[in-house]
Amino acid sequence: DAKTTQPNSMESNEEEPVHLPCNHSTISGTDYIHWYRQLPSQGPEYVIHGLTSNVNNRMASLAIAEDRKSSTLILHRATLRDAAVYYCTRIIQGAQKLVFGQGTRLTINP
Amino acid sequence: EAQVTQNPRYLITVTGKKLTVTCSQNMNHEYMSWYRQDPGLGLRQIYYSMNVEVTDKGDVPEGYKVSRKEKRNFPLILESPSPNQTSLYFCASRPTGPGYGYTFGSGTRLTVV
Repeated sequence: DAKTTQPNSMESNEEEPVHLPCNHSTISGTDYIHWYRQLPSQGPEYVIHGLTSNVNNRMASLAIAEDRKSSTLILHRATLRDAAVYYCTRIIQGAQKLVFGQGTRLTINP
Repeated sequence: EAQVTQNPRYLITVTGKKLTVTCSQNMNHEYMSWYRQDPGLGLRQIYYSMNVEVTDKGDVPEGYKVSRKEKRNFPLILESPSPNQTSLYFCASRPTGPGYGYTFGSGTRLTVV
């Protein structure tokens, strides 16, 4: 299974937008792109997902490239509570399996 | 509150002593999965279930068993634990259909000595 590729770490300031990139160049046409985040000592938390179109919810926005080989998670106004490891994943339909990469550790400066 | 509940949160055991980690969800979800998380290896799927009595292996099933006799429960069984099964384990569930994400439990930290 080809994993997704993300920067190991990123840093941003409170109340500024954050753009977290992800490369998934080998994604198949039916695999959904999911984003999760994990705070210390907690399980992963669902953030957002999409297939082809850009998506918005109360937590974030997801921008998917037209060729689907990359996507960007957008946190519009970061808060200190957004500091976490963010995982860009694919969901393999048959096994309902999330394929996790190493994730991006996001640090938010006050 | 909609949630996935795992027990215990922490467990230290000895090699070879059978143990069960329980997982229960109160959302009537069809899909359930077990993952283990290890430094440098990330999260990997152990087993999954698409509904009652329907289970299948994930990427790292060796040394584990599961059962799905009821929709809400999906226990992970280690018949003869070994030190290489020391890890952080997560159970997750979601409904059928493409429009949903997974809900994860809080995790079980298992140490096998």
